[in-house]
Amino acid sequence: SQQGEEDPQALSIQEGENATMNCSYKTSINNLQWYRQNSGRGLVHLILIRSNEREKHSGRLRVTLDTSKKSSSLLITASRAADTASYFCATGSNAGGTSYGKLTFGQGTILTVHP
Amino acid sequence: GAGVSQTPSNKVTEKGKYVELRCDPISGHTALYWYRQSLGQGPEFLIYFQGTGAADDSGLPNDRFFAVRPEGSVSTLKIQRTERGDSAVYLCASSSDAYYNSPLHFGNGTRLTVT
Repeated sequence: SQQGEEDPQALSIQEGENATMNCSYKTSINNLQWYRQNSGRGLVHLILIRSNEREKHSGRLRVTLDTSKKSSSLLITASRAADTASYFCATGSNAGGTSYGKLTFGQGTILTVHP
Repeated sequence: GAGVSQTPSNKVTEKGKYVELRCDPISGHTALYWYRQSLGQGPEFLIYFQGTGAADDSGLPNDRFFAVRPEGSVSTLKIQRTERGDSAVYLCASSSDAYYNSPLHFGNGTRLTVT
């Protein structure tokens, strides 16, 4: 079963614009991670934010986490055509009986950046 | 060294046959994960290993699915009596440990088609 739900399902923008993707989840978490997947490839880890953090930056990426709303957002600034990919959030839960190692992924947002 | 390697990259088999999918993790990574991804969906957790033992196999859909990691390195996912519904991309990932803050490194997956 999927823990997270990404919104929107698909996003189409022009190069240079910012892209914002949202993720909502259901259970308490230890951390939330964002991954990118190019077509036909495996997933690549982008950034991790712990449950006691509210915001994190990495290059053109900014991630926020609101544990009270059980939601996170990923902002990609000054997008490039090479950012075209699917983006997934994944949560590591601390729900009772759930192993720490298990990451549960959402269904993803398909981002298309037009040159 | 090299990233996570999965073989074969593509596998076509007939309904009812047995298949084995192999994963070579990053050298030194103690945790190894198997996920399944259907078209347009996020990865679905199957099982993960910490060392040689399966720490969590709660995602295996039924007893036709089995995975081993006998020496704590290479892992094999085995599917008996394959069904058309087993068709998907099977992703393997490894991490330096199974603690909840460790990012996963994914292979490119094995695309399994059951005819």
